[in-house]
Amino acid sequence: EDKVVQSPLSLVVHEGDTVTLNCSYEVTNFRSLLWYKQEKKAPTFLFMLTSSGIEKKSGRLSSILDKKELFSILNITATQTGDSAVYLCAVEGGSNAGNNRKLIWGLGTSLAVNP
Amino acid sequence: KAGVTQTPRYLIKTRGQQVTLSCSPISGHRSVSWYQQTPGQGLQFLFEYFSETQRNKGNFPGRFSGRQFSNSRSEMNVSTLELGDSALYLCASSLGSGSGMETQYFGPGTRLLVL
Repeated sequence: EDKVVQSPLSLVVHEGDTVTLNCSYEVTNFRSLLWYKQEKKAPTFLFMLTSSGIEKKSGRLSSILDKKELFSILNITATQTGDSAVYLCAVEGGSNAGNNRKLIWGLGTSLAVNP
Repeated sequence: KAGVTQTPRYLIKTRGQQVTLSCSPISGHRSVSWYQQTPGQGLQFLFEYFSETQRNKGNFPGRFSGRQFSNSRSEMNVSTLELGDSALYLCASSLGSGSGMETQYFGPGTRLLVL
């Protein structure tokens, strides 16, 4: 059965700390892995990763994928209170034909950044 | 470009009633996916519509149905509501070209409370 597992489930840090969030997956016919940030409402897109070893970076956030070990990490450096959110990982798998394409979501990591 | 819009934003219904939720995708996007989000279950995929056809379906009972119109707007219907249907319903749109993973952009969601 396809699954996406995120760890830790929740995390509390102080401003300025660096955090690493993990996403491991077992998905048939992997196509891509995505990271989203969800605050109070809809998730907002962060990164899409398709190739191993290529770091994607946006400001203080960065992410990398390891397709051999089937996991991705999301790093946040110099955390700020505005980084407090649930971080969601999703993996697309399945073939493109018919009704086999699917997006499997992890439960998310809840990050709280205290001042 | 305007983002994904969903109406209504909040809804209170009683058990046994039915509800229809609406989603307007980003202009030019032809794929609309629906998700249910509850605290314990994370994001659960309901179904995806592309060009007025259901292209993918998750593991939800037949009480959950949807459709897509020629302008790509989509509606989701839940009949015979149960208490467990209380959740945030998110709609996401993407180009839907099928050539690979496109980023899904989420609407603000409709929060449904079933009493």
